[in-house]
Amino acid sequence: IAGITQAPTSQILAAGRRMTLRCTQDMRHNAMYWYRQDLGLGLRLIHYSNTAGTTGKGEVPDGYSVSRANTDDFPLTLASAVPSQTSVYFCASSPEGGAGANVLTFGAGSRLTVL
Amino acid sequence: GQNIDQPTEMTATEGAIVQINCTYQTSGFNGLFWYQQHAGEAPTFLSYNVLDGLEEKGRFSSFLSRSKGYSYLLLKELQMKDSASYLCVPKDGNYQLIWGAGTKLIIKP
Repeated sequence: IAGITQAPTSQILAAGRRMTLRCTQDMRHNAMYWYRQDLGLGLRLIHYSNTAGTTGKGEVPDGYSVSRANTDDFPLTLASAVPSQTSVYFCASSPEGGAGANVLTFGAGSRLTVL
Repeated sequence: GQNIDQPTEMTATEGAIVQINCTYQTSGFNGLFWYQQHAGEAPTFLSYNVLDGLEEKGRFSSFLSRSKGYSYLLLKELQMKDSASYLCVPKDGNYQLIWGAGTKLIIKP
């Protein structure tokens, strides 16, 4: 089934630990995104990539890094997790970034708790 | 600043019609999306408007007035499965999507 796979589904992590959230899509979409969603707030963009080999910072990039070595994979790394990074993380993709009706397809989300 | 204004919560009856209003202020405008998000799940695409007017898609319709910074989502023949949050998401002049907290719609039998 075409779509986006995120892993892990859920994780409890000690503060200070390093964590990578994985995201893989099989739709050959050029653009990929990482969002976090906190209770009562809208989605906030962490990092994005408009094409393989390029990445950009979103609204809340501090404490996170990404890479885009190929079209399909877009991992998000927390170098040293802090409790404020407790959130639900959504990976998304769209055919292109930028202009037009580039509809986002989302993964199921990764629920991260930092203690 | 950029902002979106939607009701926090609405309640409607199964089989009825409900209209969810959205007003927005953005720096430039390049279209507006509506997404549906069930509790504990990811958002899914409902509609996209870039020109003024009504877009109809089955039981769901979306309207846009660019001059008024206004959109609405109309849901007809409500079903219990329509209980979800509805997110009005404009795209600004830099092609960035602006996400608000959305409207939580509760459907009662």
